[in-house]
Formats: sequence, structure tokens, C-alpha cells
Amino acid sequence: GAVVSQHPSWVICKSGTSVKIECRSLDFQATTMFWYRQFPKQSLMLMATSNEGSKATYEQGVEKDKFLINHASLTLSTLTVTSAHPEDSSFYICSAEGARGYEQYFGPGTRLTVT
Amino acid sequence: GESVGLHLPTLSVQEGDNSIINCAYSNSASDYFIWYKQESGKGPQFIIDIRSNMDKRQGQRVTVLLNKTVKHLSLQIAATQPGDSAVYFCAENTQGSGRRALTFGSGTRLQVQP
Repeated sequence: GAVVSQHPSWVICKSGTSVKIECRSLDFQATTMFWYRQFPKQSLMLMATSNEGSKATYEQGVEKDKFLINHASLTLSTLTVTSAHPEDSSFYICSAEGARGYEQYFGPGTRLTVT
Repeated sequence: GESVGLHLPTLSVQEGDNSIINCAYSNSASDYFIWYKQESGKGPQFIIDIRSNMDKRQGQRVTVLLNKTVKHLSLQIAATQPGDSAVYFCAENTQGSGRRALTFGSGTRLQVQP
């Protein structure tokens, strides 16, 4: 149980285009999901907390107009990278909060490369 | 600001030996700690967790030790295997703070030599 999927697993896009990444909790409902970004050989950095039915809470320094988050259902959160630039190339990982409120189940990540 | 960090960036051990990965945290209010394993190109995988009201917790081949006095956390892996090669992250959370996101340490790469 507690499986989280991400789609796509990798994507290559051209500079200036937008890319949508999906995060799904497959066998449980998640009111809260989290989006992290990870650069090579670095740790996970929280970008935003996504709450079902409400606006996401962004970490300091993360542009909310560039990284659009939508959490329209209890099993799906999406992250859209708008007007992508090469510096947005990274590994994007989502996690979903479990029923007990403290566990986090991570997705497999999405590798974004902007050319 | 508050942070969770690691002493050693890379640890190389022989297959069959025991591994110890260390983590220091600075937030004295942290009350929940987790160790994750991350293989290349994959998301973090839960290994074991511990609450601040405990100082030791054991799983299958893994043990987490928590020393709140010096704000130190360690992960012990018994009889390390090649499949244990990965980057290990500690993460912390303060359950009573209302902030539910995890703060991750910088990671330690474990290399198991056959």
C-alpha cells in the first residue's frame, strides 16, 4: 500500500515552453502533497505544500507564478513549470502525506531537462 | 536557520561489514526523524523512523539511534550488502509546529565494496 506515482518519469522540453508533472496517490487519499526539487548530488529542497481544494503554500524563493500547483482531488496534484528555462532542469519529486498525518510517501521522481 | 546536516558525505565499506551513517540536527524542537534511501534516478525510500520519546529503534538489519542531548541521529546497517549502495538522507519534522513538510539533510553516499 501507500504507492505514489509520477508522470512522466522524464521529459525534455524546449526553453520557453510549459511542462506539467502529475503526482498521484494510487491506493490512498492524500489531503496534502509536497513538491521537492533535487539538483544533482544535492538534497531534496521543498518547493511547496499542496493542499486539496486550496492554494498551495510556497517556500521562500519559489516563484508561485512559475511553478503552478493544482491539487484538485484527493489523489492528484500537478506541478506545471511555466516558461521553462535550462536552469529549471532538475529532478522533481512529490510526496503524499499518509492518513496518520506524519508519514510521507514519495513518488519516483520526474527528470526535467530544458534545452 | 534551522538545518539538518551530515558529518560524512561519502562512506565506503566492505560487503558484510556494518555501516554507520550519522546526522546532526540543529532544531531542538524536532520530534520526528526519518531515514530515507535514495538510489540513482529514483525517489526516496523510507527505511526507518523514530520519535523523540525514544532513543533507539530497530528494523530489519537497520537500527536508528537518537541522542537528543547532542542532537545527533545515526543509522546502523548490519551486514551491509551491495544493494545497500545508495545515498542516505535523514529528515526531520516538528509535529507540534503545524509545519508538516520534512527538512532533509545533505545526504551520505554509501558505497559497498564487494
